[in-house]
Amino acid sequence: KNQVEQSPQSLIILEGKNCTLQCNYTVSPFSNLRWYKQDTGRGPVSLTIMTFSENTKSNGRYTATLDADTKQSSLHITASQLSDSASYICVVSDGTGGSYIPTFGRGTSLIVHP
Amino acid sequence: DVKVTQSSRYLVKRTGEKVFLECVQDMDHENMFWYRQDPGLGLRLIYFSYDVKMKEKGDIPEGYSVSREKKERFSLILESASTNQTSMYLCASNLASSYNEQFFGPGTRLTVL
Repeated sequence: KNQVEQSPQSLIILEGKNCTLQCNYTVSPFSNLRWYKQDTGRGPVSLTIMTFSENTKSNGRYTATLDADTKQSSLHITASQLSDSASYICVVSDGTGGSYIPTFGRGTSLIVHP
Repeated sequence: DVKVTQSSRYLVKRTGEKVFLECVQDMDHENMFWYRQDPGLGLRLIYFSYDVKMKEKGDIPEGYSVSREKKERFSLILESASTNQTSMYLCASNLASSYNEQFFGPGTRLTVL
């Protein structure tokens, strides 16, 4: 069964500090991996997508990495801001033909304190 | 601008009531999804639809049904609401491909008393 595990479950950091969120998956065959950000009271919004051939992708202060061999991804947030407080969800899609259903991780809840 | 709207942000219902949650997207997407989100459990797929009048069960379809009579609208129905269906319900849509981003609505927080 396809699975996506995220760690840590929650994280508290001070404004201006960096942090890294982890995602391990067992989805096979692998198609792509997305990181979503979900602000409180809102639906998730995609931050970045990684395909098999990509190992790093940046979106402003967010940098995602992918190691397809070890089936791990990370999301690094640089110089955190209060607005980064949110839940970050790792979502992996498999390469099965006609499969539209990705596998969601349970998310990491990030709190940034002033 | 991409838009997925849900009929209510907050809803309070009594046990045994029939509940309708509606979702509308304006992006001409083929796929639409209903998830519930609970603390510590993440998003779990209830049902999805890949075309008008087509539906497929997700991971937790028990106690729910869906309807898709028009491409832009996907309804979730709780036939007889129970307290364990108290949750945040999220609707999403996307184009038919595993590469395509799911666009989510703002969610409906349903409380069943």
